[in-house]
Amino acid sequence: ELKVEQNPLFLSMQEGKNYTIYCNYSTTSDRLYWYRQDPGKSLESLFVLLSNGAVKQEGRLMASLDTKARLSTLHITAAVHDLSATYFCAVDEGGGSQGNLIFGKGTKLSVKP
Amino acid sequence: DTAVSQTPKYLVTQMGNDKSIKCEQNLGHDTMYWYKQDSKKFLKIMFSYNNKELIINETVPNRFSPKSPDKAHLNLHINSLELGDSAVYFCASSHLSFEQFFGPGTRLTVL
Repeated sequence: ELKVEQNPLFLSMQEGKNYTIYCNYSTTSDRLYWYRQDPGKSLESLFVLLSNGAVKQEGRLMASLDTKARLSTLHITAAVHDLSATYFCAVDEGGGSQGNLIFGKGTKLSVKP
Repeated sequence: DTAVSQTPKYLVTQMGNDKSIKCEQNLGHDTMYWYKQDSKKFLKIMFSYNNKELIINETVPNRFSPKSPDKAHLNLHINSLELGDSAVYFCASSHLSFEQFFGPGTRLTVL
């Protein structure tokens, strides 16, 4: 059974600081996703990582995937208040064949001035 | 707007009732999903469905059943509602099994 673990689960940051969220998973998969969820809202797709060594960047967020280590990271650079949200990683349980995503518990990020 | 939509947004009902949540996508996707997000924000897949195959998470009670009248719709029927069914239910869709796009969610409260 695939398990996806995120850490930390809660993260309080000051504006301007850098930090990394980690996502570990227990079985082989080449497909990993990062989503953002604002309170009371839906999930917004941030990154799709489809192969070992994949790195994607959008604004102050950068995601990477190491399939050998079964690890993905979401790096936040110079955080701003607008990044406050809950961030989820999700791994395709079928390794990409089924679309059954197993989600981590989420990292609630709070960026303070 | 191209999107995944769900109705209703809020649903309050009594224990034992039967209810349905509707989901529609106009993205031209071939696969649709239902997820449950509990009070601790934990997301769990319930079903995935394309026009060929329904994959059911074995932990989902058989009181829950997806029904797809066509490729653009996947409705969720829930029989004999229980208190523990209270949650936010999200519909999602994708092309094959690629990136999933989520609907706005339906907050179900069972009294």
